[in-house]
Amino acid sequence: RKEVEQDPGPFNVPEGATVAFNCTYSNSASQSFFWYRQDCRKEPKLLMSVYSSGNEDGRFTAQLNRASQYISLLIRDSKLSDSATYLCAVQKTSYDKVIFGPGTSLSVIP
Amino acid sequence: DGGITQSPKYLFRKEGQNVTLSCEQNLNHDAMYWYRQDPGQGLRLIYYSQIVNDFQKGDIAEGYSVSREKKESFPLTVTSAQKNPTAFYLCASSLPGAGANVLTFGAGSRLTVL
Repeated sequence: RKEVEQDPGPFNVPEGATVAFNCTYSNSASQSFFWYRQDCRKEPKLLMSVYSSGNEDGRFTAQLNRASQYISLLIRDSKLSDSATYLCAVQKTSYDKVIFGPGTSLSVIP
Repeated sequence: DGGITQSPKYLFRKEGQNVTLSCEQNLNHDAMYWYRQDPGQGLRLIYYSQIVNDFQKGDIAEGYSVSREKKESFPLTVTSAQKNPTAFYLCASSLPGAGANVLTFGAGSRLTVL
């Protein structure tokens, strides 16, 4: 079993739609969780860290479920500019390696 | 401005040749990482280093080597032992312990074996 797994996608959604991605992790000792966004042929950039109580940044909401060992990302009111690959990342402690999931591709269609 | 610089951006190599990818950061970050990304795939960890003169193997270290002689620099050598080296290579750095350990990435190096 891979350490971090994501919905395979691709997700093709119309503008204005709400879309949710899930990411599961296998190491119950993991402490830090992140969502990164990667545009085509570019480097990943941090979208948001995921906190235990959940957190929101504009149209983006991240949730953590430790009991079921998954994190989620909800995008509301999708924009064309949201089209990208979304990578989740997990880390046991801040001194451990950061492990990425395979990514989920999102295409927002006019 | 602080950041991570990777070079070269594009590199072509003949089979059997070793190549070295450069990664330099001026963010004063302690930790540095090398990832490999294949088309349509996620990032796979090659090597990482938390402090100078120390580094650990990631999930796919075979056929690669690194050094960490300076805090700012973490070069990656792709050796002839790496059977499928064509990929997008990403270097990243972070400051462990400063809250959430967010990675900052360089723009990447694309290696093609001819």
